[in-house]
Amino acid sequence: AQKITQTQPGMFVQEKEAVTLDCTYDTSDPSYGLFWYKQPSSGEMIFLIYQGSYDQQNATEGRYSLNFQKARKSANLVISASQLGDSAMYFCAMREASGSARQLTFGSGTQLTVLP
Amino acid sequence: DADVTQTPRNRITKTGKRIMLECSQTKGHDRMYWYRQDPGLGLRLIYYSFDVKDINKGEISDGYSVSRQAQAKFSLSLESAIPNQTALYFCATSVAGATYNEQFFGPGTRLTVL
Repeated sequence: AQKITQTQPGMFVQEKEAVTLDCTYDTSDPSYGLFWYKQPSSGEMIFLIYQGSYDQQNATEGRYSLNFQKARKSANLVISASQLGDSAMYFCAMREASGSARQLTFGSGTQLTVLP
Repeated sequence: DADVTQTPRNRITKTGKRIMLECSQTKGHDRMYWYRQDPGLGLRLIYYSFDVKDINKGEISDGYSVSRQAQAKFSLSLESAIPNQTALYFCATSVAGATYNEQFFGPGTRLTVL
């Protein structure tokens, strides 16, 4: 079974509007972390935001916020006031505390295009 | 200066050739990782190392080997490259014991095997 599912291969948003990128996850580990990374066309992976499974409040970092719904196992990324520079691929990832590798398991990504 | 560097950034090679991708970091992190990314897919873990004497296979280690020459250096080798190893390769680092173990990625190496 997929551990991280991103159901939106591509999304479009008008500049200055907000957009939500979906992410659902599957784990039986009570302790885990959820991450969002941005990958622009240049290829590098840029860390955006983190949410811990025990965090009581949704994470926020500037224009990025994470809508964490633990019971639904979803961790959607919300980008407010979209900018042209937000056009990129966005990956949701999870780290389970019990995993021996402490690795990140990635979803397949969402390609976001911000329209002028 | 970048904290995690990868060389080369781009490489085109032929089937059967031996290729080494190198990763260096100045972050002082103990943990280092190699991932590959294929079009339309997320990153998948090839190998990881928690310290110089610790090497572990990841999800897709077949056809690859690694060497942790020092805390700051982690190399990935393709002993006999094949076309389906054409991909974007990322090195990443993280610090042991961090609250949330964020991984910091290098810029990636785009490898094409003809």
